[in-house]
Amino acid sequence: DIVMTQSPLSLPVTPGEPASISCRSSQSLLHRNGQSYLNWYLQKPGQSPHLLISLVSNRAYGVPDRFSGSGSGTDFTLKISRVEAEDVGVYHCMQALQTPYSFGQGTKLEIK
Amino acid sequence: QVQLQESGPGLVKTSETLSLTCIVSDDSIKSYFWSWIRQPPGKGLEWIGYIYYTGITEYNPSLKGRVIISVDTSKNQFSLKLNSVTAADTALYYCARGAGDLDAWGQGTLVTVSS
Repeated sequence: DIVMTQSPLSLPVTPGEPASISCRSSQSLLHRNGQSYLNWYLQKPGQSPHLLISLVSNRAYGVPDRFSGSGSGTDFTLKISRVEAEDVGVYHCMQALQTPYSFGQGTKLEIK
Repeated sequence: QVQLQESGPGLVKTSETLSLTCIVSDDSIKSYFWSWIRQPPGKGLEWIGYIYYTGITEYNPSLKGRVIISVDTSKNQFSLKLNSVTAADTALYYCARGAGDLDAWGQGTLVTVSS
């Protein structure tokens, strides 16, 4: 099974400042079709998770362009260029290369 | 915009079967994969499994064969059954659209397992 590891687990950020979350997988998420099956979800307080980014860097519909994803192989990063108050919540990475699909532990972003 | 709604008992007794249903608000059930995910209190997300309308399924082996996901296209719904439950199965259970890229989620339903 593929193990996903996120860091940091807690991320206090000042509004307007950038933020970065790392996600590492225990094996490469590169499919033979050239795509890497790494997705990011945001779970706002008291809400269900929602899809932010799929296939490493493709923002879901309606996701602001201050969110960006990058990476390859086993190392991936979610970046927020300028954090806003509405960005608080838990960010989860998920690998969808092979079943059982698996999530990272989650990174809790809070406003300083 | 599609909506998903989980329903089912909020309390299940130890060793019995947890049964949940997810109703899909539109008729897209034949166009997507459909998944179940759970989140124990204060913990991370765990993938349970998915189904396609043809009946193709994949499950998390960590559930040791206790899980069945089924679909009823005539009712635009899919279901989860988890048998022989223990306290470790206490969690917020979500249904979602998709297999890996889960682009719509239900609000979640809390299921507590207790004797």
